[in-house]
Amino acid sequence: DQQVKQNSPSLSVQEGRISILNCDYTNSMFDYFLWYKKYPAEGPTFLISISSIKDKNEDGRFTVFLNKSAKHLSLHIVPSQPGDSAVYFCAAISPNTDKLIFGTGTRLQVFP
Amino acid sequence: GAGVSQSPSNKVTEKGKDVELRCDPISGHTALYWYRQSLGQGLEFLIYFQGNSAPDKSGLPSDRFSAERTGGSVSTLTIQRTQQEDSAVYLCASSLGLSRRVSYNEQFFGPGTRLTVL
Repeated sequence: DQQVKQNSPSLSVQEGRISILNCDYTNSMFDYFLWYKKYPAEGPTFLISISSIKDKNEDGRFTVFLNKSAKHLSLHIVPSQPGDSAVYFCAAISPNTDKLIFGTGTRLQVFP
Repeated sequence: GAGVSQSPSNKVTEKGKDVELRCDPISGHTALYWYRQSLGQGLEFLIYFQGNSAPDKSGLPSDRFSAERTGGSVSTLTIQRTQQEDSAVYLCASSLGLSRRVSYNEQFFGPGTRLTVL
């Protein structure tokens, strides 16, 4: 049972435009969410996080939005750059075990 | 190289053989995690070490999987009698581990070991 879902396996965006990556979760007890970015042949790297007490967190070109009632979060990248092309994983922390639960990832391609 | 290193980078083995995967965390990092990513799947938690002890082994898929960590540093993940469904990329991550929850913001991942079981 996939508790964290990224329903779009891939996304293609033109350079300079906004990229929006979506993530849905089923466990209303999740209280902390993270986004990781992964290039081929490399391990994931932490990108940005958000606590459930907030609905938005911004860091430069990256903004994460959380809609608790919809159990939905999204990562916005604006403006998108070719170097942003990677696989993006959404993850949530299980409150009882502090275990990190990942989605299946969305492959973002930013073209010139 | 101050990052997390893993060896081998690729491993091809025959069904039924045992394999050992190695992780060298960043020096001074007390927390160490193993994950795997199967084709088309997200990262799946396997085991978490704090120092040499493993307070959470709940992600190990079967008793064929085991892991140890010695000297609070290097960790090995052993898969006995490998099966084709064990084929995946096995990722190791380390962090300062001041608290497990906080450490996720500061996890450093290795490049992974791609295991293929024929």
